[in-house]
Amino acid sequence: DQQVKQNSPSLSVQEGRISILNCDYTNSMFDYFLWYKKYPAEGPTFLISISSIKDKNEDGRFTVFLNKSAKHLSLHIVPSQPGDSAVYFCAAITQGGSEKLVFGKGTKLTVNP
Amino acid sequence: EPEVTQTPSHQVTQMGQEVILRCVPISNHLYFYWYRQILGQKVEFLVSFYNNEISEKSEIFDDQFSVERPDGSNFTLKIRSTKLEDSAMYFCASSEGPRRSPKHEQYFGPGTRLTVT
Repeated sequence: DQQVKQNSPSLSVQEGRISILNCDYTNSMFDYFLWYKKYPAEGPTFLISISSIKDKNEDGRFTVFLNKSAKHLSLHIVPSQPGDSAVYFCAAITQGGSEKLVFGKGTKLTVNP
Repeated sequence: EPEVTQTPSHQVTQMGQEVILRCVPISNHLYFYWYRQILGQKVEFLVSFYNNEISEKSEIFDDQFSVERPDGSNFTLKIRSTKLEDSAMYFCASSEGPRRSPKHEQYFGPGTRLTVT
C-alpha cells in the first residue's frame, strides 16, 4: 500500500546545477507534506514542508512545489552542493490525527563535484 | 541544539528474547513516535504517544510491542518476543505538536539497529 511514492530510487547531478526530486501521493486526505534528508547512520532530518493550501514554499536553496490536482510534489535544490548528497524522503500527514508521517521509499541524491 | 538520543546504537538478540529500545526525546516536546526501517525499505510508522497514552498504532504494532514513558525524560519501545523479521533500524522521533509547530516537523534520533538472530 504505497500511499506516498518516490519513483526514482536515485538521481545524480553536477555541483551547481538544479536537483529535482519528485513525489506522488494517492491519499487525498493528506494535507501536509514534508521533505526529510537522511545521511547514512543518522536519523532523518527535516528540510522543508508545505501545506496543501499552498503551491510553493521556499527556504534558501530549497523549494517545494505542490500540485494538488495531480497529487504531485517536488523538491528543488538550487544550486546543488556535494554536501547535499543523501537520501531524500517525501512524507505526508493527515492533520487532526496522530501526526504520523507516511513516508515514500526515498531517492538517493548524488551531487558530483 | 536539542536532539533526540537513542540507546543502544546496535542491539543483537536471539529470536524469542525481549528487547527494550530507549529514547530521550527533546525536553519540551509533547508527541513521541517510533518508526522502523527494514533494510532497503521505506521508513514505517509504528506508534504515536501523546499525553501518556498511545494515540495511534500501525498494524505492525501488535501485542508483542509496547511503549512506555517511565519518567519525564525516557520513552521506550519493548518487543516482548523478537522474531527474525523484527530486524530493522528503529527510529524514535518527537515533536511539539501541531498547535505549537505549524510545520509539523518531527525530530528523529540516530536510530537503533536491531539484529535478531
